[in-house]
Amino acid sequence: DAKTTQPPSMDCAEGRAANLPCNHSTISGNEYVYWYRQIHSQGPQYIIHGLKNNETNEMASLIITEDRKSSTLILPHATLRDTAVYYCIVRVEETSGSRLTFGEGTQLTVNP
Amino acid sequence: NAGVTQTPKFRILKIGQSMTLQCTQDMNHNYMYWYRQDPGMGLKLIYYSVGAGITDKGEVPNGYNVSRSTTEDFPLRLELAAPSQTSVYFCASTETSGAFFGQGTRLTVV
Repeated sequence: DAKTTQPPSMDCAEGRAANLPCNHSTISGNEYVYWYRQIHSQGPQYIIHGLKNNETNEMASLIITEDRKSSTLILPHATLRDTAVYYCIVRVEETSGSRLTFGEGTQLTVNP
Repeated sequence: NAGVTQTPKFRILKIGQSMTLQCTQDMNHNYMYWYRQDPGMGLKLIYYSVGAGITDKGEVPNGYNVSRSTTEDFPLRLELAAPSQTSVYFCASTETSGAFFGQGTRLTVV
């Protein structure tokens, strides 16, 4: 699985958009970009994933660059409850049988 | 549909004791994983399984064993508990749209 690079921490004001970047310059053509988050000591929670096209769901939007070497997770209106560690993972689809491994992630702090 | 269920939620073990952390999922997922997370650190993969009867080592398998006799259950066994195994343990199962995690087992070895 391709290695990812994320900033260790970010801050965001409540109500504003939070844009979390992820670099994955060695991503392969069949690897997806997945985002998870972990809210203080709870089990990680799936947010969104994509291959090439931008994706949006009720939680967030995922923007993948045309060369697929980086992506951005967007929380459009961050709330205090969005404070968490956000993990970007690239891998062949979840049921490929390959390992699901996590890096260190980005600690997002949403401030009032 | 309960998702991924882990038991117990908390446990204190003495050095040298053994225990089994239970993990059950009711989503008929083939792929299951065990992770440990030390304070302030990321998740480290211990073992994983791609289906009943098949298991494989992750990044930190030493001191642990697993079995996968059914699709639903993926227990993690600690045979001789050591202080270094004090951690929070998470079980997960996956499908194409993402992984589902249990709420964790907080284990302290004293």
